[in-house]
Amino acid sequence: DAMVIQNPRYQVTQFGKPVTLSCSQTLNHNVMYWYQQKSSQAPKLLFHYYDKDFNNEADTPDNFQSRRPNTSFCFLDIRSPGLGDAAMYLCATTLDPEGSYNEQFFGPGTRLTVL
Amino acid sequence: AQSVTQPDIHITVSEGASLELRCNYSYGATPYLFWYVQSPGQGLQLLLKYFSGDTLVQGIKGFEAEFKRSQSSFNLRKPSVHWSDAAEYFCAVVSYSSASKIIFGSGTRLSIRP
Repeated sequence: DAMVIQNPRYQVTQFGKPVTLSCSQTLNHNVMYWYQQKSSQAPKLLFHYYDKDFNNEADTPDNFQSRRPNTSFCFLDIRSPGLGDAAMYLCATTLDPEGSYNEQFFGPGTRLTVL
Repeated sequence: AQSVTQPDIHITVSEGASLELRCNYSYGATPYLFWYVQSPGQGLQLLLKYFSGDTLVQGIKGFEAEFKRSQSSFNLRKPSVHWSDAAEYFCAVVSYSSASKIIFGSGTRLSIRP
């Protein structure tokens, strides 16, 4: 089945130790997103790639970076995790043909714990 | 500014009872609306969407939603809930500033009473 895959599902890191979260998709969608979701809150968009074009949200801290080496893969790098970065990180994709709208397809998420 | 409001933070209903989750939006033109469900520790799954046409939209798992332009609402309904429906429900709208983005409401947590 076509899907959005996130690895790992659970990640534990130490305060200040860089961490990378991975997302892959078999949907061949051109847009990929990273969201941060804290407990009992809505997902908060960090950034998205429209094809190869990177779009950062204005309030996303510099501590968060992303890479998209090809259509299928997207990575979230947290350079120096703080305790406040502990959250669920969700990857999503959409097919965004010009002049239309489509829903986003979400992966299962990576739960990040910062010690 | 564009927004989505879910006025109920937490709702508890008895198994077998009917359900209605409220969603109100602010949007200048015809909105493109979604309902997503999130089970604990999982990603979001699309229940249904409204882009145009019939204002009563059928979704998966027996859910439906009705778009009412006059009330700026897109409420989610189910005639008879099951224990497996316990989850967090998010209403969302496509952003008019960027069609690639959606704006989420704050969510409604649904608990099911046996």
